[in-house]
Amino acid sequence: AQKVTQAQTEISVVEKEDVTLDCVYETRDTTYYLFWYKQPPSGELVFLIRRNSFDEQNEISGRYSWNFQKSTSSFNFTITASQVVDSAVYFCALSVSTGTASKLTFGTGTRLQVTL
Amino acid sequence: DTGVSQDPRHKITKRGQNVTFRCDPISEHNRLYWYRQTLGQGPEFLTYFQNEAQLEKSRLLSDRFSAERPKGSFSTLEIQRTEQGDSAMYLCASSFGSSGGSDTQYFGPGTRLTVL
Repeated sequence: AQKVTQAQTEISVVEKEDVTLDCVYETRDTTYYLFWYKQPPSGELVFLIRRNSFDEQNEISGRYSWNFQKSTSSFNFTITASQVVDSAVYFCALSVSTGTASKLTFGTGTRLQVTL
Repeated sequence: DTGVSQDPRHKITKRGQNVTFRCDPISEHNRLYWYRQTLGQGPEFLTYFQNEAQLEKSRLLSDRFSAERPKGSFSTLEIQRTEQGDSAMYLCASSFGSSGGSDTQYFGPGTRLTVL
């Protein structure tokens, strides 16, 4: 069975601070996919990134960056120079490449509050 | 490009009543997923369709729940004899996939169900 742990329940930062959201995953599958989604107060989950288990290259997209380390089973997400619009709940998720389904296993989420 | 839409956005019902939700996926997507999200938790997988075939159901999906995707386009999720424990956000997602677990799912805004 798959498991995703997001130990940080809630983080509060002041605008322009950098913040890192932690994600630790568990799976016995050798091929798997990791995702981050953002859920603003409106409720809709917004896709941010997908990484494959065989590609450990870190990725940067604007103020967002992701650090994938298979050795520690972690897929952490950093927001640089945070802004109030970044306030949301962020979910890390995992799917495995067995069968035909891509069902996602989600963590419990980290609520990020960015204040002025 | 139109995203995933769900109707209604909110539903309040009395215990014992039946409710039905609708999901319209992104038009070219062949896969459709239903998830349930309770307060403070991440979404949990309920069921999955590839075209019109329902290929997997979670143990969370009791016999009071039924889902259909009659023509491989929109889907409906029906809950019969609702219970207070059914109160949650019901999320629909769609993706385009051929095999394995690599497809990226795009979520709709959800239907929030409250059972009184």
